[in-house]
Amino acid sequence: ILNVEQSPQSLHVQEGDSTNFTCSFPSSNFYALHWYRWETAKSPEALFVMTLNGDEKKKGRISATLNTKEGYSYLYIKGSQPEDSATYLCAFLYGNNRLAFGKGNQVVVIP
Amino acid sequence: DGGITQSPKYLFRKEGQNVTLSCEQNLNHDAMYWYRQDPGQGLRLIYYSQIVNDFQKGDIAEGYSVSREKKESFPLTVTSAQKNPTAFYLCASRLGGYQPQHFGDGTRLSIL
Repeated sequence: ILNVEQSPQSLHVQEGDSTNFTCSFPSSNFYALHWYRWETAKSPEALFVMTLNGDEKKKGRISATLNTKEGYSYLYIKGSQPEDSATYLCAFLYGNNRLAFGKGNQVVVIP
Repeated sequence: DGGITQSPKYLFRKEGQNVTLSCEQNLNHDAMYWYRQDPGQGLRLIYYSQIVNDFQKGDIAEGYSVSREKKESFPLTVTSAQKNPTAFYLCASRLGGYQPQHFGDGTRLSIL
């Protein structure tokens, strides 16, 4: 079973503050890394698909970077808003079309 | 609208009973997946299928069975052999390549 680690597991952020969290994954046999946002009472939705070392992706106030050589990805939220409250999942895509998920980063934005 | 439909949303199982969770997709995706989520744990893969009439065990397949007779459908049966079936079950599908997964809304299974 591949090990995908996310930290911190949960965090509370004041509205307007920026925050970031980490996803660590195996640095060998890299294929792709996905980030998903999972809001309460909804299904997880894809945020980013990252494939190349040095990739940077952005969607509104959320952005992500990728370092495949050292096996980590950062997700950043700039100027957090209450609607950013969710669990952010990273998933490592590997052989046979399988994904290994981390436990998630649970973010609560305090108004 | 294309998407994945899971039913039912809530399911109760009696001891010794098999139950089947439904998952249907109209996205024309080849690959489909079943995950289980428990408190404090990440999504764990139960079974997946890359093509009709073929499926592979995931990390926690014991006590579960699946079938893939149609591209659109990938039902999961939780058998009486699964000793701790209480969990939240998510179905997903994927086109392939680098593409992300699309998820259903989940089924919460509880034991009576």
